[in-house]
Amino acid sequence: DVVLNQSPLSLPVTLGQPASISCRSSQSLVYSDGNTYLNWFQQRPGQSPRRLIYKVSNRDSGVPDRFTGSGSGTVFTLKISRVEAEDVGVYYCMQATHWPPFTFGPGTKVDIK
Amino acid sequence: QVQLVESGGGVVQPGGSLRLSCAASGFTFRNYGMHWVRQAPGEGLEWVTFIRSDGSNTYYADSVKGRFTISRDNSKNTLYLQMNSLRAEDTAVYYCASDMMTPFDYWGQGALVTVSS
Repeated sequence: DVVLNQSPLSLPVTLGQPASISCRSSQSLVYSDGNTYLNWFQQRPGQSPRRLIYKVSNRDSGVPDRFTGSGSGTVFTLKISRVEAEDVGVYYCMQATHWPPFTFGPGTKVDIK
Repeated sequence: QVQLVESGGGVVQPGGSLRLSCAASGFTFRNYGMHWVRQAPGEGLEWVTFIRSDGSNTYYADSVKGRFTISRDNSKNTLYLQMNSLRAEDTAVYYCASDMMTPFDYWGQGALVTVSS
């Protein structure tokens, strides 16, 4: 099974400042069709997860452009250009290249300093 | 708009059974695969199972294989999860999620399952 590791696991940030989360995979996430099925999810306190980014860098509808996904192969990054109060929550990376099983990272908790 | 509404959660004794439902609306349910994902209290997300659009193929996490069964009724726009031989470690919020353009694009609000004597 593909193992995803995230760092940091806890990220205190100052409002208006940038934030960055890393996701590393135990194997390349490039699929035979050339796509890389690495997604990012946000889970605000008390809410269901919500997908932010699919296939590394594609923003879902309604996701603010301060969220950016990047990376390739086994190393991926989610960046928030300027953190807002509504960004508090847990962020998960997830791979859908080598399945079953679909696997999630352990999550990174973002809160305000 | 897309809506996924889970129901059927509750408290069940170890070894017992429970069936969750996920009512879908706002999209052509019969055309898309569907997932169940769970989240134990205070923990991360764990994929549980996936079913293709016509129900022809199903896939399971090793942790539930042989105990859980995913199914769907495309005439009722409803996804199901039959959970048997439940264990304390199955205690979690269970989410259904769609697989339209790409996996896990929409999620329901979740249903809490508590396995306890």
